[in-house]
Amino acid sequence: NAGVTQTPKFQVLKTGQSMTLQCAQDMNHEYMSWYRQDPGMGLRLIHYSVGAGITDQGEVPNGYNVSRSTTEDFPLRLLSAAPSQTSVYFCASSSTDQPQHFGDGTRLSIL
Amino acid sequence: TQLLEQSPQFLSIQEGENLTVYCNSSSVFSSLQWYRQEPGEGPVLLVTVVTGGEVKKLKRLTFQFGDARKDSSLHITAAQPGDTGLYLCAGLNTNAGKSTFGDGTTLTVKP
Repeated sequence: NAGVTQTPKFQVLKTGQSMTLQCAQDMNHEYMSWYRQDPGMGLRLIHYSVGAGITDQGEVPNGYNVSRSTTEDFPLRLLSAAPSQTSVYFCASSSTDQPQHFGDGTRLSIL
Repeated sequence: TQLLEQSPQFLSIQEGENLTVYCNSSSVFSSLQWYRQEPGEGPVLLVTVVTGGEVKKLKRLTFQFGDARKDSSLHITAAQPGDTGLYLCAGLNTNAGKSTFGDGTTLTVKP
């Protein structure tokens, strides 16, 4: 099993550009989450989903959209990139009897 | 908002020493996870504690969940350079898939 796969691994954007960070899991987990990690601040929850068709906001949702059309995929969309969104983004999946599994992250720089 | 405070934020010790990392909150969690993260990778789960007062051991690592399920500690005996990394605690509330992370403890073990 591949687990949680995030693409791309690295991305540089200009302010105002939009892009989608992809996340896919092959463990049939119901729950998926997106976090951002900044130096010295741990992981902060952006959006999460408890199942296909259901999403909800986390701590820091502004500037990001998500959708969950299938169990496997949970893309994160930046609508209009800002320098404050420079960060490392992690996707995670879990189920009621399985703890969170994390992807390897996407390192995003906004110029 | 549920908050988790980890201490210390940074810890630098010599190989062979013992250390304890703390994770405290004013909120009750249904379970608490400890993760270890290495540079360029996602967090990897070490342990989940569920029951108040629970103690779990993983080789030289001992994890304890407070009686009131608000706090936890990680004790490492005879630390080795391979223990170097970022240690994160995360509290899971009953809304499964939504975790609150502490800011992490960066551990450096010098040979």
